[in-house]
Amino acid sequence: DVKVTQSSRYLVKRTGEKVFLECVQDMDHENMFWYRQDPGLGLRLIYFSYDVKMKEKGDIPEGYSVSREKKERFSLILESASTNQTSMYLCASSLEGIFYEQYFGPGTRLTVT
Amino acid sequence: AQTVTQSQPEMSVQEAETVTLSCTYDTSESDYYLFWYKQPPSRQMILVIRQEAYKQQNATENRFSVNFQKAAKSFSLKISDSQLGDAAMYFCAYKDHGNKLVFGAGTILRVKS
Repeated sequence: DVKVTQSSRYLVKRTGEKVFLECVQDMDHENMFWYRQDPGLGLRLIYFSYDVKMKEKGDIPEGYSVSREKKERFSLILESASTNQTSMYLCASSLEGIFYEQYFGPGTRLTVT
Repeated sequence: AQTVTQSQPEMSVQEAETVTLSCTYDTSESDYYLFWYKQPPSRQMILVIRQEAYKQQNATENRFSVNFQKAAKSFSLKISDSQLGDAAMYFCAYKDHGNKLVFGAGTILRVKS
């Protein structure tokens, strides 16, 4: 079974704090993704990585950065959290190739106060 | 840019009945995949079914089937013999060789007993 885990299910942070969201997958997948999920907007891609130390911006990268130092781990960083970053954050991974689906983690519900 | 539209924010179905969720998409690509994902309340998102654009035959997975109309760029999901466990948010998604998934806004499916 593919397993994608995220470091926290719920997180509450204050405005201006630096926030780290961690994601780990155990299936040796090349690709990893970070999304945010908001009601009525579906899932929007923040960043993705197709290899260690490689990354590409998604549709909404502003205010976020990422790090992938090891193949199995992909971190999302909010350098200075703001209230408009309150959201559900989903991590996913997949094999390389158009056929393959993405496997999702359970999500982290982040609240910035 | 590719877009995916789910025009039904919410749907309801009686247990044991059939329901169809709608999805339309826009792309100029000829080779792509379409997916339906299910996100149960407070649980991880999982793949329900996938369809390759080059295959004319509609995909089927047990009680789940799709109606893929390539010319109309339509990709609806039919759930037969609905069960209480089918209650979830359903997302339609598109993928081409860019590796990224483009999601619709989602449809909440409620199943009445």
